[in-house]
Amino acid sequence: DGGITQSPKYLFRKEGQNVTLSCEQNLNHDAMYWYRQDPGQGLRLIYYSQIVNDFQKGDIAEGYSVSREKKESFPLTVTSAQKNPTAFYLCASSIPSSYNEQFFGPGTRLTVL
Amino acid sequence: DQQVKQNSPSLSVQEGRISILNCDYTNSMFDYFLWYKKYPAEGPTFLISISSIKDKNEDGRFTVFLNKSAKHLSLHIVPSQPGDSAVYFCAASAPQAGTALIFGKGTTLSVSS
Repeated sequence: DGGITQSPKYLFRKEGQNVTLSCEQNLNHDAMYWYRQDPGQGLRLIYYSQIVNDFQKGDIAEGYSVSREKKESFPLTVTSAQKNPTAFYLCASSIPSSYNEQFFGPGTRLTVL
Repeated sequence: DQQVKQNSPSLSVQEGRISILNCDYTNSMFDYFLWYKKYPAEGPTFLISISSIKDKNEDGRFTVFLNKSAKHLSLHIVPSQPGDSAVYFCAASAPQAGTALIFGKGTTLSVSS
């Protein structure tokens, strides 16, 4: 059963702590993406990676970091430098064709207390 | 500056009627457009797409229309069903493989029975 998994579904952290959100896919997709959704906002791009060991900043990369050591995995670290980390985080993947249809995971709701 | 705009935050429709969701874009380089449907606390799911070489694409109850000269697209749902109640995101893609989609802020559709 192919898909994208994100864990955990809900995550709570104290202010000032770094936290890493997991994203795994078994779709054999080369490209992976991290988005953030806030109420009343669309999906805003944090980071994306077109290939292993390579990634690019999106529109709101400040306070976040990523790694892409394996094709299947694209973890996102929310650092203490991120001013408003409480949000719904979505991971997606795609075959890097010209159509860029992306498949999304179920999301992780991060709440910083 | 928003490149993809969904100017109606919400839309209410009666069951059985037509739902029309609108989307405008500013970047004439976009060549592929997608609609995603999203339920609360879940990841978006792909609904329907259209290439810029077409002006209409139909899939069951869902039809997307593209007016390139007006940089406008619309999603028609006929007939609307209560299960269609969700947030609908319009997204656009530039003709570069592996680039991220640009999303609008979404329109919340409520279908009442």
